[in-house]
Amino acid sequence: AQSVAQPEDQVNVAEGNPLTVKCTYSVSGNPYLFWYVQYPNRGLQFLLKYITGDNLVKGSYGFEAEFNKSQTSFHLKKPSALVSDSALYFCAVRDLNTGFQKLVFGTGTRLLVSP
Amino acid sequence: GAVVSQHPSRVICKSGTSVKIECRSLDFQATTMFWYRQFPKQSLMLMATSNEGSKATYEQGVEKDKFLINHASLTLSTLTVTSAHPEDSSFYICSAQLWEDGNTIYFGEGSWLTVV
Repeated sequence: AQSVAQPEDQVNVAEGNPLTVKCTYSVSGNPYLFWYVQYPNRGLQFLLKYITGDNLVKGSYGFEAEFNKSQTSFHLKKPSALVSDSALYFCAVRDLNTGFQKLVFGTGTRLLVSP
Repeated sequence: GAVVSQHPSRVICKSGTSVKIECRSLDFQATTMFWYRQFPKQSLMLMATSNEGSKATYEQGVEKDKFLINHASLTLSTLTVTSAHPEDSSFYICSAQLWEDGNTIYFGEGSWLTVV
């Protein structure tokens, strides 16, 4: 079965500094990987996805993520954090090669950017 | 990105009554929609996968007679919580799959259900 691990409950970073939110995955076939952001009392907003192609994926709001097959990781990054980036971030995976249509989420990582 | 609208955003109902939550894909047709439940400070739990014109596929442990899902058109899926109890109080989020965008799943804004 597919699974996603987000090892950090919270990441703290100062505004202007680079940020990394970690994600590792486990699938039996080829992964489709996603990052979503959730602001308080809101639904999830799509940030970016990896399906195939370049390992470095660029998404919304200046975020990017790097797919690393050997380490089964898909860490979210941003060169310079903003206070407005403070939110809950979810990594998710789908294993379409096995016909498994479900999108499985990690437990989420709260990002706190201080002024 | 694609827009998914969810209504109502907040609803309070009495214990024992039923409540319906609507999920609409506004600018695309969605053959597949998903319903999630999220408890405070927790991740999303998939409840069921809804395919247009067919019965929903429920996840293990989700009562299909309690959480009725209907996907009668390519732009609308509904979740009805029947005979609601306080423990059903939660944040319910729907999502829709956009096939044309690499099967990306887009989410609605969620619905807060409070059963009193």
